[in-house]
Amino acid sequence: DVKVTQSSRYLVKRTGEKVFLECVQDMDHENMFWYRQDPGLGLRLIYFSYDVKMKEKGDIPEGYSVSREKKERFSLILESASTNQTSMYLCASSFGGGEPYEQYFGPGTRLTVT
Amino acid sequence: KQEVTQIPAALSVPEGENLVLNCSFTDSAIYNLQWFRQDPGKGLTSLLLIQSSQREQTSGRLNASLDKSSGRSTLYIAASQPGDSATYLCAVRRVDSNYQLIWGAGTKLIIKP
Repeated sequence: DVKVTQSSRYLVKRTGEKVFLECVQDMDHENMFWYRQDPGLGLRLIYFSYDVKMKEKGDIPEGYSVSREKKERFSLILESASTNQTSMYLCASSFGGGEPYEQYFGPGTRLTVT
Repeated sequence: KQEVTQIPAALSVPEGENLVLNCSFTDSAIYNLQWFRQDPGKGLTSLLLIQSSQREQTSGRLNASLDKSSGRSTLYIAASQPGDSATYLCAVRRVDSNYQLIWGAGTKLIIKP
C-alpha cells in the first residue's frame, strides 16, 4: 500500500512565524504535491514537484515556498505565517509516468494561525 | 478555463437507498476524471478513475459514469450504508497538463441509519 505521511495533524502558530510542513511518501513516486483545502473552495494546488530539487508553482503559490532535497520528502514552508493561511494542508504523491495516473494523499495538517 | 461543479453541496438520505452524486465540468478536453472520498478531518481516498475514452468504472457498490460531450460525471452508490457518510469530491485532469487536477468543492453525504 502507498503511504503518505505528514509531520503533524494539527498545528497552531502565531502570525509572523516561519512554519514548516513535511510530507514523506514511501512508494518512490516522482511527483509530489501540496494543496490547501478551504470550505466551499475545494482543493487548490500550491506547489508541485516532479523530481528532486525541481518545483513548479500551482494556482496559489504566494506566501509559500517548497523544498525537495530527497525524492521521498517534500516540505512546504510558510515564510511568515498570516491568519489567511489558516487552512487544511494536504500532501499527495504520484508516479511520474504511465497510466492510470492517480494521486495518493496524506491525512492532512490542520494549521491555525492566530 | 476549466471549472468543476458539484451539486448539491450536501445530501442526506436514509440507509438502504440508491443515490447519485453529480459532477459537471466546463471543458470537455479532459484526460481523465477521478472520484475521491474524504472522511471528516482526514485526507482523500481515491475511489474510481475514468479515462476519457471510457464510459464507466465500477468498484463494489460504486459505479462512476462519464459523458465528456455533456461535461458530466455521476457517482452511483447502491444500497447506501451509514459508513458511506463522507464528502465526495471529483477532479478532472486536463489534457494539457501532466499533473494538474481541477477539483470540485465536494458533496457532503450523510446516510441516516
